[in-house]
Amino acid sequence: KNQVEQSPQSLIILEGKNCTLQCNYTVSPFSNLRWYKQDTGRGPVSLTIMTFSENTKSNGRYTATLDADTKQSSLHITASQLSDSASYICVVRDDKIIFGKGTRLHILP
Amino acid sequence: KAGVTQTPRYLIKTRGQQVTLSCSPISGHRSVSWYQQTPGQGLQFLFEYFSETQRNKGNFPGRFSGRQFSNSRSEMNVSTLELGDSALYLCASSLINEINSPLHFGNGTRLTVT
Repeated sequence: KNQVEQSPQSLIILEGKNCTLQCNYTVSPFSNLRWYKQDTGRGPVSLTIMTFSENTKSNGRYTATLDADTKQSSLHITASQLSDSASYICVVRDDKIIFGKGTRLHILP
Repeated sequence: KAGVTQTPRYLIKTRGQQVTLSCSPISGHRSVSWYQQTPGQGLQFLFEYFSETQRNKGNFPGRFSGRQFSNSRSEMNVSTLELGDSALYLCASSLINEINSPLHFGNGTRLTVT
């Protein structure tokens, strides 16, 4: 069964610190891997999208990496801000779309 | 450009009833997809429409159905509601070539079944 597993389930860090969220998947091959940010009470918003052949993609303070050999992706957040408090969801697309259950990130002042 | 609009924002229904949710995609987007989000299961794909045709369907019972109109607006219907149908229902739109385009989500309809 194709799965997308994210870790940690939740994370608390201080404002200004960096953090890395992990996504392990079994879907292979796939069309693309995406990271979304979901604020409480809102729909998810796309942060990055990578195809199978890409290794890294940046969007401001967000940098996603992809290792197709180990089937792992990570999302690195630099110099965290209070507005980064949200759920971060990893999504893998083959002929279907498969979501991870997300990492809940809390930024403390 | 206006984003994806979902109505209503909140809905309370009782078991056995049916419900219809509405989604207006971003102007120019012809693909609309629907998702169910619950704390236990996370986001799960329901179905996807393009040019009024269902292109893909997730693993949900036949009580869940949808349609897309000629103006790309979409509705989903859930019949014979069960308590487990309580969830946030999200709609997303994308350009024709969805594979390389991000999904643009609405803010969802929160359905509570009592």
